[in-house]
Amino acid sequence: ETGVTQTPRHLVMGMTNKKSLKCEQHLGHNAMYWYKQSAKKPLELMFVYNFKEQTENNSVPSRFSPECPNSSHLFLHLHTLQPEDSALYLCASSPRTSGSAETQYFGPGTRLLVL
Amino acid sequence: AQTVTQSQPEMSVQEAETVTLSCTYDTSENNYYLFWYKQPPSRQMILVIRQEAYKQQNATENRFSVNFQKAAKSFSLKISDSQLGDTAMYFCAFRSGAGGTSYGKLTFGQGTILTVHP
Repeated sequence: ETGVTQTPRHLVMGMTNKKSLKCEQHLGHNAMYWYKQSAKKPLELMFVYNFKEQTENNSVPSRFSPECPNSSHLFLHLHTLQPEDSALYLCASSPRTSGSAETQYFGPGTRLLVL
Repeated sequence: AQTVTQSQPEMSVQEAETVTLSCTYDTSENNYYLFWYKQPPSRQMILVIRQEAYKQQNATENRFSVNFQKAAKSFSLKISDSQLGDTAMYFCAFRSGAGGTSYGKLTFGQGTILTVHP
């Protein structure tokens, strides 16, 4: 247990559904991240939030919409997804995005299957 | 842009033996940070070890140590006295120490699946 939780752990959705992934960190960190982990591909950074402000959008399609209401919570809203969006979605947090060797702590991930 | 390459898709080792996982990276920066993360079948990504590029001394954490060769842009992980619980996917990651929009962004390698056999 690293202090970062994600719900749900597994999600199956149709292409017309709308769902949300939730991430919560209990570490007092100020930066939060969404990553996508697809089979046989390196982890891809999707979004970065620092002190609730989005500082990175790594060319992610608009069908993925992040929300960071406070430094402890991060959401990823999903709508009209495609089957190729099926992947493991990992949330991470760190004290902040700057500074020395800021280690990112990861949640267990949400396994998403789009039918 | 930085790239991280792990050339070994899969490795295996006998319990109690030593294994080394390779990682190379490409960057034009002088100040950066390198990490090894472990992802067991449970899927929780866990930090194994980290290295600051400005430090010449190789980082060590119990049975885990790195061989950091800055000029060669190489960052290998050595696992001594391998245990069954070390079975996992291992990712090498790079983080820039420069400012700007890339600050805080981790770039990962493709991963190496390590299996420890009894």
